[in-house]
Amino acid sequence: LAKTTQPISMDSYEGQEVNITCSHNNIATNDYITWYQQFPSQGPRFIIQGYKTKVTNEVASLFIPADRKSSTLSLPRVSLSDTAVYYCLVGPLNTGFQKLVFGTGTRLLVSP
Amino acid sequence: ETGVTQTPRHLVMGMTNKKSLKCEQHLGHNAMYWYKQSAKKPLELMFVYNFKEQTENNSVPSRFSPECPNSSHLFLHLHTLQPEDSALYLCASSQVRTGGPSYNEQFFGPGTRLTVL
Repeated sequence: LAKTTQPISMDSYEGQEVNITCSHNNIATNDYITWYQQFPSQGPRFIIQGYKTKVTNEVASLFIPADRKSSTLSLPRVSLSDTAVYYCLVGPLNTGFQKLVFGTGTRLLVSP
Repeated sequence: ETGVTQTPRHLVMGMTNKKSLKCEQHLGHNAMYWYKQSAKKPLELMFVYNFKEQTENNSVPSRFSPECPNSSHLFLHLHTLQPEDSALYLCASSQVRTGGPSYNEQFFGPGTRLTVL
C-alpha cells in the first residue's frame, strides 16, 4: 500500500477554511484516496474518497492533481467541533474486505 | 451514532485476569474488524472476519483471541495481558460486496479503553 505523509498538526480558527495536504508519491494506478476523521475517544469516521480531480460532499472537498502524487482535504468554515485527527489513506478497491492502513494523521485544533 | 456498539467502554484488568470485549453492529454488514490504537501509534489492524470466517490475523499474540459467533457480533477474549497491551480497542464493520472491486466503507465503534495493570 502506498505510503502517505501528512503534517503532524495544524491550527486554525473558527470560520476559516482548512486545507490538509497529503503526499503519496508512490500511488499506484488503481489506488484511491480516502480520508477519515477521528474525534477523541471515538473511532475513525469516513469523510470522503476520490480518484482524481475534485470530489465534494456535504462535509468536505477533496482535490487531487493530475499526477495524483498528493491530495488536499478542504474543510470549509471550520468550527470547534472539527477539532480532530484527519487520516489520509491510499489503497485499491478490493473485491473483499478493505484493509485500511492508517498513518499518524494530522491533528487539527480549531480555536475560537 | 455509527451503528456499531462496544462494551465495556472502559476496562481495567490485572495481568492474570480474563476478560472479553464485545462488539455489535446493527448495520447488516458481513465483515467485522478489530483494531488496536496505542498512544502515539497509528491504528493497527488485528483481526478481520468476513462472513464469520477469520480471514486476517496480523501476527497478533495468542493472548488475544477473537470470536465471531454470527455476522452481527464480535468478541475479543483477553487473558494474561501485559501492560503494553493497554490501548484503545476499536471494532469496525463493513459491507463486503461481490461482483467486482468496490470500496467498503468501515464504520467504527467508540472503542474500549483498556488499561492493564
